[in-house]
Amino acid sequence: AQKVTQAQTEISVVEKEDVTLDCVYETRDTTYYLFWYKQPPSGELVFLIRRNSFDEQNEISGRYSWNFQKSTSSFNFTITASQVVDSAVYFCALSEAAGANSKLTFGKGITLSVRP
Amino acid sequence: DTGVSQNPRHKITKRGQNVTFRCDPISEHNRLYWYRQTLGQGPEFLTYFQNEAQLEKSRLLSDRFSAERPKGSFSTLEIQRTEQGDSAMYLCASSRGQGVYSYEQYFGPGTRLTVT
Repeated sequence: AQKVTQAQTEISVVEKEDVTLDCVYETRDTTYYLFWYKQPPSGELVFLIRRNSFDEQNEISGRYSWNFQKSTSSFNFTITASQVVDSAVYFCALSEAAGANSKLTFGKGITLSVRP
Repeated sequence: DTGVSQNPRHKITKRGQNVTFRCDPISEHNRLYWYRQTLGQGPEFLTYFQNEAQLEKSRLLSDRFSAERPKGSFSTLEIQRTEQGDSAMYLCASSRGQGVYSYEQYFGPGTRLTVT
């Protein structure tokens, strides 16, 4: 069965600090997809990134970067120079190709608070 | 390009009543998902449609829950004889779909159900 663990529950940083959100996953499938979503106080989940299991290249998008390591089953998310607007709950999620329905299994989320 | 919409946004009902929620996906998306999110948790998968066919239901979806997507466009989720444990945020998501390839899912704002 697939599982996503986000061991950190709450993180508080001061604006302009860098912060890394950890995600560890479990799957028996060789083909799978990893995602990060942001849920701001308004409540709507916002898609941030998708990664497939064959692509271990790290990705950078502005202040956001993602580190995918199959050897440790981790898909960590770093925000550089954090801003107050980054305050939200961040979810890591996994879907397996074998099921062919692409349902997402989410972690419990990490609440990030960025203080001015 | 409009996003996923859900109605109503909030629903308060008394225990034992029936409720129905509606989801309108992004127009070109053939896959539609329902998830449930309780406080402090990540969303949990409930059911999945590819076009009008309901292809998977979670064990979380008791017999009191039914979902439809009659013409492969909008979907409805009905809960009969509501219980207090049904209180949650019900999220709808849609995506493109092609075989086992997993595209990102786009979420609606959710319907918050409170059962008194």
